[in-house]
Amino acid sequence: KAGVTQTPRYLIKTRGQQVTLSCSPISGHRSVSWYQQTPGQGLQFLFEYFSETQRNKGNFPGRFSGRQFSNSRSEMNVSTLELGDSALYLCASSLDNGGYQETQYFGPGTRLLVL
Amino acid sequence: AQTVTQSQPEMSVQEAETVTLSCTYDTSESNYYLFWYKQPPSRQMILVIRQEAYKQQNATENRFSVNFQKAAKSFSLKISDSQLGDTAMYFCAFMIFSNSGGSNYKLTFGKGTLLTVNP
Repeated sequence: KAGVTQTPRYLIKTRGQQVTLSCSPISGHRSVSWYQQTPGQGLQFLFEYFSETQRNKGNFPGRFSGRQFSNSRSEMNVSTLELGDSALYLCASSLDNGGYQETQYFGPGTRLLVL
Repeated sequence: AQTVTQSQPEMSVQEAETVTLSCTYDTSESNYYLFWYKQPPSRQMILVIRQEAYKQQNATENRFSVNFQKAAKSFSLKISDSQLGDTAMYFCAFMIFSNSGGSNYKLTFGKGTLLTVNP
């Protein structure tokens, strides 16, 4: 079974631009979560989607948004990019069968550099 | 608020030896999962081991085992017979599990421990 895939893997943008990152979960996984990883703040939770609905959200400004499609693929968007948005963005998927299969499996990440 | 503390920013071990990475956490919840993930230089986050808080038995996965002390809120990772491929950043994390089923799907991570395995 293929793992979580993320595109693009690397991205360079300038301040003020917007960016869209994509994540395809493991086949059969219905929950997709997004995390931001920076040297200073470490790993921080952005949001989580299930059945095209955002179920949980971290403490990030409204410039960070996401969505999930009917096939469970997810996108996250960052508008009006700031230098501090430079980070590794990780996507993770989990089965969410309502039971005990809550382990999150991560994609390779998208490295975003804002100049 | 939930927090995870990894007090060892860096550790090193000789190949074939055993090393233990420390992790403490703080939560008022009683049901949760605990995880160790490793992140090698490729930056790919890989699950190492998982522990359900309601289980008293410590989880093991081949050379990896944990020492879970719920009362002390401690969750250490022991790596036996260390291999060069174990060189990575190791993150301790937990996720709340609700009594009604499912979880909040939010992993709270520690700052990580950089483990270097020397030949």
